[in-house]
This record gives sequence, C-alpha cells and structure tokens, in this order.
Amino acid sequence: DVKVTQSSRYLVKRTGEKVFLECVQDMDHENMFWYRQDPGLGLRLIYFSYDVKMKEKGDIPEGYSVSREKKERFSLILESASTNQTSMYLCASSPSQRGPSYEQYFGPGTRLTVT
Amino acid sequence: DQQVKQNSPSLSVQEGRISILNCDYTNSMFDYFLWYKKYPAEGPTFLISISSIKDKNEDGRFTVFLNKSAKHLSLHIVPSQPGDSAVYFCAAESSNDYKLSFGAGTTVTVRA
Repeated sequence: DVKVTQSSRYLVKRTGEKVFLECVQDMDHENMFWYRQDPGLGLRLIYFSYDVKMKEKGDIPEGYSVSREKKERFSLILESASTNQTSMYLCASSPSQRGPSYEQYFGPGTRLTVT
Repeated sequence: DQQVKQNSPSLSVQEGRISILNCDYTNSMFDYFLWYKKYPAEGPTFLISISSIKDKNEDGRFTVFLNKSAKHLSLHIVPSQPGDSAVYFCAAESSNDYKLSFGAGTTVTVRA
C-alpha cells in the first residue's frame, strides 16, 4: 500500500512565524505535490516537484516555498505565516510512469491555524 | 478561474437510492478524469477514473460517465450506503503534465 505521511495533523502558529510542513512517501514516486483545501474552493495546487531538487509553481504559490532534497521527502515552507494561510494542507505523490489507471495518493492532511 | 466545476455543493439521498454527482470542465486539453472521496480530517482517497477515449467506466457500485462534447462527467453511486456520506471531488488533468485541477467538491449525505 502506498503511504504518504505528514508530520503533523494539527498545528497552531502565530502570525509572522516560519512554518515547516513535512511530507514523506514510501513508494519511490517521482512526483510530489502540495495543495491547500478551503471550503467552497476545493483543492488548489501550491507547488509540485517532478524530481529531487526540482520544483514548479502551482496555482497559488505566493507566500510559500518548497524544498525537495530527497526523493521521498517534500517540505512546504511558510516564510512568514499569515492568518489567510489558515487552511488544510494536503500532500500527494504519484509515479511518473502512467498505467491504465493513474492517480495521486494523498496524505492525511495538516490542519494549520495561524493566529 | 476554476477549470473544473461542481455546481452542487451538497446532495442528500436516501439509503438504497441512486446518488448522481455532476462535474463540468472548460479545458479541452483535459484527457483524464478522476473522482476522489474525502472524509473529515482525512486525505482524499481515489475512487474511480476515466480516460477520454472511453465514455463509461464501472467499478462495483460506482460508475463514471463522460460526455466529451458537453465537457461533462457524472458519478453514479448505486445503491447509496451510509458509508458513502463524504465530500466528493471531481478532478481532471492533461497527459501533457501531472497536475490535477479539482472542483470545489460535493458533500453527499446518505439518510438511513
């Protein structure tokens, strides 16, 4: 079974703090993704990575950065947390080779509250 | 601008009846479509997918229909069960890249 784990389920941070969200996958997937989920907006892509040390901006990268030093680990960084970054953050991974059925596998999510 | 739209935020259905969830997309480059199911405080889990070369795909109680000309897909759940109560997300991608575009989700409530 594919497993995607995220370092924290719930996190409370203060405005201006630097926040690190960690994601680890154990299926040797090349692709990794960070999304945020907000009511009425669905999942929106923040950043993604096709390979180690590679990163691409998604639809809403402002206020975020990422790091991928190892294939299995993809970190999301909030340089200076703000209240509008209060959200559910979801990490996902997928293989680069497509089969007949292809999907992204998601972690359990981190509920981040910025006060 | 959202390229994938789920216009019904919620759906309530009686146990044993059919649930029909709808999804529309605008990007004609999309050629692969997925449905994910999400329970509160959990990550989304993959449910079923369909390639643009097909117009129907079935997996047990779940069937997805694709109408390319209308840029519309639907998910049918028959019969609906209480455990189906969850948020369902429609997603789409182009085989040119690996990025998924998601709809806003539909919350399904199955009444006993």
